[in-house]
Amino acid sequence: NAGVTQTPKFQVLKTGQSMTLQCAQDMNHEYMSWYRQDPGMGLRLIHYSVGAGITDQGEVPNGYNVSRSTTEDFPLRLLSAAPSQTSVYFCASRRTSTDTQYFGPGTRLTVL
Amino acid sequence: GNSVTQMEGPVTLSEEAFLTINCTYTATGYPSLFWYVQYPGEGLQLLLKATKADDKGSNKGFEATYRKETTSFHLEKGSVQVSDSAVYFCALPDQTGANNLFFGTGTRLTVIP
Repeated sequence: NAGVTQTPKFQVLKTGQSMTLQCAQDMNHEYMSWYRQDPGMGLRLIHYSVGAGITDQGEVPNGYNVSRSTTEDFPLRLLSAAPSQTSVYFCASRRTSTDTQYFGPGTRLTVL
Repeated sequence: GNSVTQMEGPVTLSEEAFLTINCTYTATGYPSLFWYVQYPGEGLQLLLKATKADDKGSNKGFEATYRKETTSFHLEKGSVQVSDSAVYFCALPDQTGANNLFFGTGTRLTVIP
């Protein structure tokens, strides 16, 4: 049981490049979400999904896209990276019937 | 909407000292309250929670009591260890139907031998 996995662990991009952060969970959780963590600002919700085929915006969705084609996977896409997107990104999941979230180990992204 | 305000850090304590990290909340109704912990280089993990007023959550020697009179959920530990060095986050669900978690800004704790 791997829990929530994220790849890559580290990534450096140039401004304007695109990339996808991968997130997968093997716990059959309906709910998945993406957060970014910035110094002094805690975690802020980017996008979330309550099930396959359903996604919605969080607090800071601009510049990010998501899709949820399967229960297991919830990739986060940066279409045109900007230095303001330099951050640590965390994926999380839980059953919709419970309130405990499980977090992945994070992806540290630097945009030059 | 629902929100939490968390004590600013960083906090540095000697081993075996008493720890308090303050958290106050604003909420409609009485949602569950949480403390999450982030150890260096890792993702967040649930430390403890309380689901209703006057509940006390506890785990690994940490405690927090859900106090509706003072709208607080302060984290305490009687004797900290070096291994408790981490960032601690207070959190509560937002008001959407999805119950997304809203996190405080985090408090970094360093325990020195």
